[in-house]
Amino acid sequence: KAGVTQTPRYLIKTRGQQVTLSCSPISGHRSVSWYQQTPGQGLQFLFEYFSETQRNKGNFPGRFSGRQFSNSRSEMNVSTLELGDSALYLCASSPGLAGEAYNEQFFGPGTRLTVL
Amino acid sequence: AQSVTQLGSHVSVSEGALVLLRCNYSSSVPPYLFWYVQYPNQGLQLLLKYTTGATLVKGINGFEAEFKKSETSFHLTKPSAHMSDAAEYFCAVAPPPRGANNLFFGTGTRLTVIP
Repeated sequence: KAGVTQTPRYLIKTRGQQVTLSCSPISGHRSVSWYQQTPGQGLQFLFEYFSETQRNKGNFPGRFSGRQFSNSRSEMNVSTLELGDSALYLCASSPGLAGEAYNEQFFGPGTRLTVL
Repeated sequence: AQSVTQLGSHVSVSEGALVLLRCNYSSSVPPYLFWYVQYPNQGLQLLLKYTTGATLVKGINGFEAEFKKSETSFHLTKPSAHMSDAAEYFCAVAPPPRGANNLFFGTGTRLTVIP
């Protein structure tokens, strides 16, 4: 079974631009979560999508948004980029099965975003 | 509020020596607990997890961790370090409701293995 894939793997943008990152979950998984990893703040939860609906949200400004498509693929968008948005953005997928107390998350390799 | 504390941002051990990475959590309700490993330029890989049941949890690559509720700890150990264990390790908690997929991570511990 193919793992979680993220595209692109590397991205360079300038301040003020916007960016869209893509995540394809493991086949059959319905939940996709996004995390930001920076040297200063570590790993922080951005949001989770399940069945095309945002189910959980972290403490990030509205410039960070996401969506999920009917095939469970997810995109996250960052508008008006700031230097501090430079980070590794990780996507994780899980089955999201109803009634399960916990669904293990499987992480993709990440997209490294550099904002100049 | 959930928080995870990993003591020691860098740990160095000799090859063959015991590995001990420390993790403490704060939560009013015992959360689910995890250890992840991250190799350079890669995503996170789950080493082991504690949800319910036995408090000593065995994971991949010879790692294990023990959930101690009284100490709010979930330290990661391996009896004998290998060169291939050099990586960054993250402790994480999943707060209630347990079905939620928002993990709270510690700041990570970079493990160096000295030949």
